[in-house]
Amino acid sequence: EAGVTQFPSHSVIEKGQTVTLRCDPISGHDNLYWYRRVMGKEIKFLLHFVKESKQDESGMPNNRFLAERTGGTYSTLKVQPAELEDSGVYFCASSHHYEQYFGPGTRLTVT
Amino acid sequence: GNSVTQMEGPVTLSEEAFLTINCTYTATGYPSLFWYVQYPGEGLQLLLKATKADDKGSNKGFEATYRKETTSFHLEKGSVQVSDSAVYFCALSSSNFGNEKLTFGTGTRLTIIP
Repeated sequence: EAGVTQFPSHSVIEKGQTVTLRCDPISGHDNLYWYRRVMGKEIKFLLHFVKESKQDESGMPNNRFLAERTGGTYSTLKVQPAELEDSGVYFCASSHHYEQYFGPGTRLTVT
Repeated sequence: GNSVTQMEGPVTLSEEAFLTINCTYTATGYPSLFWYVQYPGEGLQLLLKATKADDKGSNKGFEATYRKETTSFHLEKGSVQVSDSAVYFCALSSSNFGNEKLTFGTGTRLTIIP
């Protein structure tokens, strides 16, 4: 069974540009989460999908971040326009009932 | 709100040394507690968990006991190996039933030297 996959693994963009991160959860997992780790600090929750619906988006930092989950399958996280403080590692996780399975993360560098 | 305070790293130990990574938490109610590990180039993996007070989670020689009286969940291993080199994250969830967001500590980078 394939694990959670994320694309790209690394993205370098300039301030003001747009970047879209993608997450493919484990097949059959209704729950999908986005987290972010900035500058070696704690990993912080961004939002939680149940199927295609946003269950909790309390961690989204501002309206430059837009997350979608098409048909309850893969999810995208768009940052537009990107700012320097958006640099960090973005993790996606999925779960069926309890344990969250994490992807390898996307390292975003905004210059 | 919920928070997790974790021992700052980096931590460097010799092979076969005893390991303790401290973790304390603040939460309302009865959270579930976790340790996640991230090996180089990989995603986070659940190492162990405990869902109620006095529970002991264990896996791969690692142990942690849920101490409600001290709000702690310290990670221990009696004899570390080079392959244990990784970043370790303490985390909690408000729910015992899953499907709730995780609150993480800052992570502790562990390096084991032969």
